[in-house]
Amino acid sequence: GAGVSQSPSNKVTEKGKDVELRCDPISGHTALYWYRQSLGQGLEFLIYFQGNSAPDKSGLPSDRFSAERTGGSVSTLTIQRTQQEDSAVYLCASSLELTLAKNIQYFGAGTRLSVL
Amino acid sequence: AQKVTQAQTEISVVEKEDVTLDCVYETRDTTYYLFWYKQPPSGELVFLIRRNSFDEQNEISGRYSWNFQKSTSSFNFTITASQVVDSAVYFCALSAANQGGKLIFGQGTELSVKP
Repeated sequence: GAGVSQSPSNKVTEKGKDVELRCDPISGHTALYWYRQSLGQGLEFLIYFQGNSAPDKSGLPSDRFSAERTGGSVSTLTIQRTQQEDSAVYLCASSLELTLAKNIQYFGAGTRLSVL
Repeated sequence: AQKVTQAQTEISVVEKEDVTLDCVYETRDTTYYLFWYKQPPSGELVFLIRRNSFDEQNEISGRYSWNFQKSTSSFNFTITASQVVDSAVYFCALSAANQGGKLIFGQGTELSVKP
């Protein structure tokens, strides 16, 4: 597609439920990133993928968070047993490659997650 | 450790004023890139510019200009003759060689341009 596409745009869930957030990167982009934007923490890195592998999972806040990417394209961020502190905007970005010289990240519009 | 500081949380100006958004960064890497992104009320982060650590030339693009000074670890962004459409949150970010391409963001500066 023309840009990074994220779905759903808004998600309201009850505490304790699992949620899945989807990201469809720009066609041809091999690197994909997930970030979280919340009032108290600003913009924080969660995880990145080069192809289908995720070499750095250090940003995931807890083991309730997981992500996968299949076919080198679409990625899914899953949050299990959601908590109220998970409420935030989850942003996905993609870039042509991981190498710094080719790493301009283009962002999607985000998924606003509200945990009641 | 990598860190980006945007000391100005909010700035309010009147249309046509010039405004400078400050960004100070910390890194031990000699190879790194600095970025500015704009986040309008719609929420999508829009890429504005990228500079690498070896290129300290200032850059101008229309009403936007950027001043990169390694001596003070700063990468400041100036909007000349501001317009209401410039109202947004602006983020400065750093990507360093040993960080796998991830961006380290500053806290953002909310710019409000009043007519």
